[in-house]
Amino acid sequence: NAGVTQTPKFQVLKTGQSMTLQCAQDMNHEYMSWYRQDPGMGLRLIHYSVGAGITDQGEVPNGYNVSRSTTEDFPLRLLSAAPSQTSVYFCASSYDQLNSPLHFGNGTRLTVT
Amino acid sequence: KQEVTQIPAALSVPEGENLVLNCSFTDSAIYNLQWFRQDPGKGLTSLLLIQSSQREQTSGRLNASLDKSSGRSTLYIAASQPGDSATYLCAGYSGNTPLVFGKGTRLSVIA
Repeated sequence: NAGVTQTPKFQVLKTGQSMTLQCAQDMNHEYMSWYRQDPGMGLRLIHYSVGAGITDQGEVPNGYNVSRSTTEDFPLRLLSAAPSQTSVYFCASSYDQLNSPLHFGNGTRLTVT
Repeated sequence: KQEVTQIPAALSVPEGENLVLNCSFTDSAIYNLQWFRQDPGKGLTSLLLIQSSQREQTSGRLNASLDKSSGRSTLYIAASQPGDSATYLCAGYSGNTPLVFGKGTRLSVIA
């Protein structure tokens, strides 16, 4: 199993551009989530999904959209990039939130200039 | 709302020492608590998951405990090695919100 795969690893955007961060898992996990990690702020939840067709907002959802059309994929879209969205983004998945450990991808380092 | 705190933010110990990392949480109605390890430039790796019905979990040199009444969890690392150097994060799940993370303790094990 590849686990949780995130692409790209690095990305530089100009303010106002849009892009999609890709996340795929091959473990048949129902629960998927997106976090951003910033120095001094820790990991903050952006959006999450408990199954295909179901998404919900986390702590910092503004400026981001998600969809979950399949169990495997959970893309994160930046609608109009801002310098405040410069961060490292992690996708994570698990069978459920109650009994299963969370598996993380290796992250996407995004810089918005 | 669940809040998770890890103190200290950084810790340096000599190789071979046994050490304890601390994690405190505010909502005692916790379903589970997880410990993770993060190496620089990498994602998080799950180390141990403790259910609310359990008191502790062990994996190799690692032992994690959970005390719901005091709102505390500890991660014990026996006979520390330089390869244990990393940031360790704990996260709690209370059911009403997704997993909440602490900010981590950065551990350095000096050879």
